[in-house]
Amino acid sequence: GAGVSQSPSNKVTEKGKDVELRCDPISGHTALYWYRQSLGQGLEFLIYFQGNSAPDKSGLPSDRFSAERTGGSVSTLTIQRTQQEDSAVYLCASSRNRDQETQYFGPGTRLLVL
Amino acid sequence: DAKTTQPTSMDCAEGRAANLPCNHSTISGNEYVYWYRQIHSQGPQYIIHGLKNNETNEMASLIITEDRKSSTLILPHATLRDTAVYYCIVFSGGYNKLIFGAGTRLAVHP
Repeated sequence: GAGVSQSPSNKVTEKGKDVELRCDPISGHTALYWYRQSLGQGLEFLIYFQGNSAPDKSGLPSDRFSAERTGGSVSTLTIQRTQQEDSAVYLCASSRNRDQETQYFGPGTRLLVL
Repeated sequence: DAKTTQPTSMDCAEGRAANLPCNHSTISGNEYVYWYRQIHSQGPQYIIHGLKNNETNEMASLIITEDRKSSTLILPHATLRDTAVYYCIVFSGGYNKLIFGAGTRLAVHP
């Protein structure tokens, strides 16, 4: 079946602008995760959503970062007033449920802040 | 911090088995060993996971030592397309974040 999809694939923006990154999880998956990977660095957890529970925002680096998940499916990660250090690949993953917790990743959005 | 230790890089000849080791000496009884790989510019790809028993799927085999303090991922017949960074992750399951270390950069050569 279809995997996790993310859009856009690439985004170039100017410092100070806001950006929105979208993630469509695998159909039926209740948990959704956002990670980011800076150039040459490992993956860093940002936030996750599970069903109707309050999201775990413990990985968000600043209050410029926020995310929402509408209707328990699609999620949007928003970065306000982007900075050059926000340049990274933003990855989304989803998992089916607590007992089927393998996380499957999308292709990522490559964000470049000029 | 990652709870695993992996070699920085490894080489393998095409067609031969690639054996990627991972140490996880502080693993808890309820934690799984997961393996992902990341081919350049792509999202991480799930490979295999296990708790105590050895596991095999269409991609690879996972051998976990009896004391669970280390494991080995085996790609039985490596191809050039297996060139990637391989991550060994200890994961407690449920709704939890994955903690990625630096991984092993595997280069498969002709």
